[in-house]
Amino acid sequence: LAKTTQPISMDSYEGQEVNITCSHNNIATNDYITWYQQFPSQGPRFIIQGYKTKVTNEVASLFIPADRKSSTLSLPRVSLSDTAVYYCLVGSTGGFKTIFGAGTRLFVKA
Amino acid sequence: GAGVSQTPSNKVTEKGKYVELRCDPISGHTALYWYRQSLGQGPEFLIYFQGTGAADDSGLPNDRFFAVRPEGSVSTLKIQRTERGDSAVYLCASSADSGANVLTFGAGSRLTVL
Repeated sequence: LAKTTQPISMDSYEGQEVNITCSHNNIATNDYITWYQQFPSQGPRFIIQGYKTKVTNEVASLFIPADRKSSTLSLPRVSLSDTAVYYCLVGSTGGFKTIFGAGTRLFVKA
Repeated sequence: GAGVSQTPSNKVTEKGKYVELRCDPISGHTALYWYRQSLGQGPEFLIYFQGTGAADDSGLPNDRFFAVRPEGSVSTLKIQRTERGDSAVYLCASSADSGANVLTFGAGSRLTVL
């Protein structure tokens, strides 16, 4: 299972774009990159998933360079409600032992 | 159901007691996961079911922990002879077996062992 490394915490202000980078140097050919968001007293919630290049949905964008050894979650114009822990995971499809790291604690200030 | 349901949401018990935590996954999801999360930590993998069978139980910390999923839907996590160190939030998640593996989590069961 590919191990991931991401910053422990980040601070931002409302309205700014936030980029959280995750390193996964030993990602396997059939691994996808998935990001989850977790608010206090809730389970993690799926944000976005990608394999290569760029993926965008209504919540975020995910940038994956050609070598796939890292990925960047981009949150446009964050608000106070985006304060949460963000987890980066890598793994193959079809069911597998999904391992979470410590995540990145994002704190958005007014 | 519409989402993953976990009961109870809160459980307080005494050291040495037996505890059961229940998870109702999303209807039709064949994969089911249990995690344990302590304050300030990421979710720690415990066990993963594919259908009725435990595909990977390597995360169970010791033989006091056991989980079942007899009909391939509802799952129960069982903890015997609880210890204070078992206090945590126990999260359940489910996913469809096809395509990219995206987990949907329940709100968790907070276990406090006094």
